[in-house]
Amino acid sequence: LAKTTQPISMDSYEGQEVNITCSHNNIATNDYITWYQQFPSQGPRFIIQGYKTKVTNEVASLFIPADRKSSTLSLPRVSLSDTAVYYCLVGPFSGGYNKLIFGAGTRLAVHP
Amino acid sequence: DVKVTQSSRYLVKRTGEKVFLECVQDMDHENMFWYRQDPGLGLRLIYFSYDVKMKEKGDIPEGYSVSREKKERFSLILESASTNQTSMYLCASSPSVTGNTDTQYFGPGTRLTVL
Repeated sequence: LAKTTQPISMDSYEGQEVNITCSHNNIATNDYITWYQQFPSQGPRFIIQGYKTKVTNEVASLFIPADRKSSTLSLPRVSLSDTAVYYCLVGPFSGGYNKLIFGAGTRLAVHP
Repeated sequence: DVKVTQSSRYLVKRTGEKVFLECVQDMDHENMFWYRQDPGLGLRLIYFSYDVKMKEKGDIPEGYSVSREKKERFSLILESASTNQTSMYLCASSPSVTGNTDTQYFGPGTRLTVL
């Protein structure tokens, strides 16, 4: 099973770009990488998903190197409202829901 | 917008009580999930269901059971609550029957305290 490792916490300031890296050394060939965001007193919310190279949407970018042993979530120009916990999730795209593993998450604090 | 609702935001029960946590989704999703969330441990999957009356164990099913009699409703049952089941419980749903990379939509969570 692909286990993920993320920094426990990060601090940033408004307007800066934030990069959160997730390590998944045992990622399998059929595993996707997904990131979720969780605000206090709410359930997690899907941000972005990718398999290789780079994926970008209106919220974030996801960079995945060729060996896929890590991935980086990039949040451009963060604001106070981006303060949340960010989870990196690695799991297969066919069957086996019990193979999905949520890491402990990275607590991002954005300061004025 | 997909909406996943959970019956209670906060619940306090006593050791040995039978506890029901209810989850309802309004988007006709095939898959539903129950997780618990504890500080430093992230989310851990308890059970999931891919169809009515179908269920599979997740990582930590001990002490829990589930019921899915209707497609939109997924219940988590603690037959005899214990203090180590004090936690935040999160329900989620997703639309696919064939893959599990589809987005999961989460409810707001139920914070259960067992005294």
